[in-house]
Amino acid sequence: EAQVTQNPRYLITVTGKKLTVTCSQNMNHEYMSWYRQDPGLGLRQIYYSMNVEVTDKGDVPEGYKVSRKEKRNFPLILESPSPNQTSLYFCASKVRGNTEAFFGQGTRLTVV
Amino acid sequence: GQQVMQIPQYQHVQEGEDFTTYCNSSTTLSNIQWYKQRPGGHPVFLIQLVKSGEVKKQKRLTFQFGEAKKNSSLHITATQTTDVGTYFCAAPGNTDKLIFGTGTRLQVFP
Repeated sequence: EAQVTQNPRYLITVTGKKLTVTCSQNMNHEYMSWYRQDPGLGLRQIYYSMNVEVTDKGDVPEGYKVSRKEKRNFPLILESPSPNQTSLYFCASKVRGNTEAFFGQGTRLTVV
Repeated sequence: GQQVMQIPQYQHVQEGEDFTTYCNSSTTLSNIQWYKQRPGGHPVFLIQLVKSGEVKKQKRLTFQFGEAKKNSSLHITATQTTDVGTYFCAAPGNTDKLIFGTGTRLQVFP
């Protein structure tokens, strides 16, 4: 089954404790991206990757890192999480061009 | 930068009533996509519109792309409780990016 898999689904952590949210897709998509969803703000792009070893900042990249060592994986790294990073995070993948995006199930992160 | 505005932010309707959400762009779009996110779920692609003035239907859902390709709408006829969720439009940006509208949360009361 074609899918985007995120882990964990839920995470509560403390300020400053490094964490990684994993994202994996099995559709051989070149393009992957991370979004955060906050009430009233919709989906805002954090980082994106157009292919292996090619990553770039989205609209709200501060406090986040990503890597794309393999085509299928695109982890999101919070080196020193802060409470303002409490949010719902989605990973998405798609083929290059004007095509539909496939989303993971989401990760609800709470930083206390 | 390019922005996509979506209204209304919330809509509460009685089951059986119609519902419409509108999406407006500051620039001309090559296409526009629509997604639905059920409560507790993730956005799921519904449709893509490409042509000026295009109208597409999916059962009770009607999608329109404006003549100037700067706006779009999603209309649901005779809402059902299964229509509950947040509807997003998404426009293409630079470098394959999708720019999402702020979404319209639909609540349907039985």
